[in-house]
Amino acid sequence: GAGVSQSPRYKVTKRGQDVALRCDPISGHVSLYWYRQALGQGPEFLTYFNYEAQQDKSGLPNDRFSAERPEGSISTLTIQRTEQRDSAMYRCASSLAMGQGYTFGSGTRLTVV
Amino acid sequence: KNQVEQSPQSLIILEGKNCTLQCNYTVSPFSNLRWYKQDTGRGPVSLTIMTFSENTKSNGRYTATLDADTKQSSLHITASQLSDSASYICVVSGISNFGNEKLTFGTGTRLTIIP
Repeated sequence: GAGVSQSPRYKVTKRGQDVALRCDPISGHVSLYWYRQALGQGPEFLTYFNYEAQQDKSGLPNDRFSAERPEGSISTLTIQRTEQRDSAMYRCASSLAMGQGYTFGSGTRLTVV
Repeated sequence: KNQVEQSPQSLIILEGKNCTLQCNYTVSPFSNLRWYKQDTGRGPVSLTIMTFSENTKSNGRYTATLDADTKQSSLHITASQLSDSASYICVVSGISNFGNEKLTFGTGTRLTIIP
């Protein structure tokens, strides 16, 4: 596609429910990042994929968070048993290769009530 | 711990004036440094990217500098316009323990241009 696409744009969920956030990167982009941004805060790194390999997941807050990119293109970030503190804007970014410019998606605004 | 600190947190200036935003980092090993502009509710948009060997890079009215020895960068905006109102985020790329590039984000400077 022309840009990085994320869905849904908005997600409101009850505490304790699981959510899955989708990122569709630019076609051919090898590197894919997930990060989240709480209101008034700077973005926080979550995890990184190189093709289908999740090379760095050191930013995932705890084991309720997981991500996959099984075919090296679309990625899914899953949050199990959501908590109110998970509320944030979740963005993904993709890049043709390491060291190249990143294109960010418009994000998924997650609200846990 | 890799950190990126930006100052000031917020800045208000008159249209037409110049301003300079600061970024200090402790990311190591260092790969490159990027400045992004983020309008409210939008994703960040890249302004400049500089590697270790580059001291300055311009993009229109935006000029970024990098001092890799002191681990400092600045973004200078010339002849500000109302459309420059946004958050400006400094992002430093390093190499993680896993061998991949890892981005560390600053908390941003909120710039407001008033007529």
